[in-house]
Amino acid sequence: ETAVFQTPNYHVTQVGNEVSFNCKQTLGHDTMYWYKQDSKKLLKIMFSYNNKQLIVNETVPRRFSPQSSDKAHLNLRIKSVEPEDSAVYLCASSAWDREDTQYFGPGTRLLVL
Amino acid sequence: GDQVEQSPSALSLHEGTGSALRCNFTTTMRAVQWFQQNSRGSLINLFYLASGTKENGRLKSTFNSKESYSTLHIRDAQLEDSGTYFCAAEDSNYQLIWGSGTKLIIKP
Repeated sequence: ETAVFQTPNYHVTQVGNEVSFNCKQTLGHDTMYWYKQDSKKLLKIMFSYNNKQLIVNETVPRRFSPQSSDKAHLNLRIKSVEPEDSAVYLCASSAWDREDTQYFGPGTRLLVL
Repeated sequence: GDQVEQSPSALSLHEGTGSALRCNFTTTMRAVQWFQQNSRGSLINLFYLASGTKENGRLKSTFNSKESYSTLHIRDAQLEDSGTYFCAAEDSNYQLIWGSGTKLIIKP
């Protein structure tokens, strides 16, 4: 099956803890993304990454960092979570061609207590 | 202001009817994508348009870059069409700018 996979589905943690979310795509795409979707369903791009370039949304706090071992994987680490980090984190990937439609994973829902 | 203005924010339709969603852009966009987010939260891509019109089943989308808008038409709505629909426009730097979504409810 070719798709975008995310783990875990849900994560509950306490303020100050470190969390890491995994994303893997088997679509053979070159570019991967992390989005944050808040309770109002607004989508905000956090990072986009391919083997040449990491683009960081300047509004993303420094406690967030992407980690990639190869072009099929892009994990998201949050060093010390805050209550406002509670959200759904969506991973996506796209091919670097004329029609770079983005394909999304099912998301990881984070709750920070 | 927002570069992508999506409307309406919410829409309720009876099964079998249809309507249109719209995104207006305040700057020139290279392309637009439309997505459906279903009840499980999965974002499914519906269309990618660099220009013109595409149709897929009961859905049809148009992108007019000169007049800076895109529409998504749904006809013969079915219960499974319920969800939140997003447009996302690609700006001149190839960055995706997202609309705020339209929550669509299909009633029996």
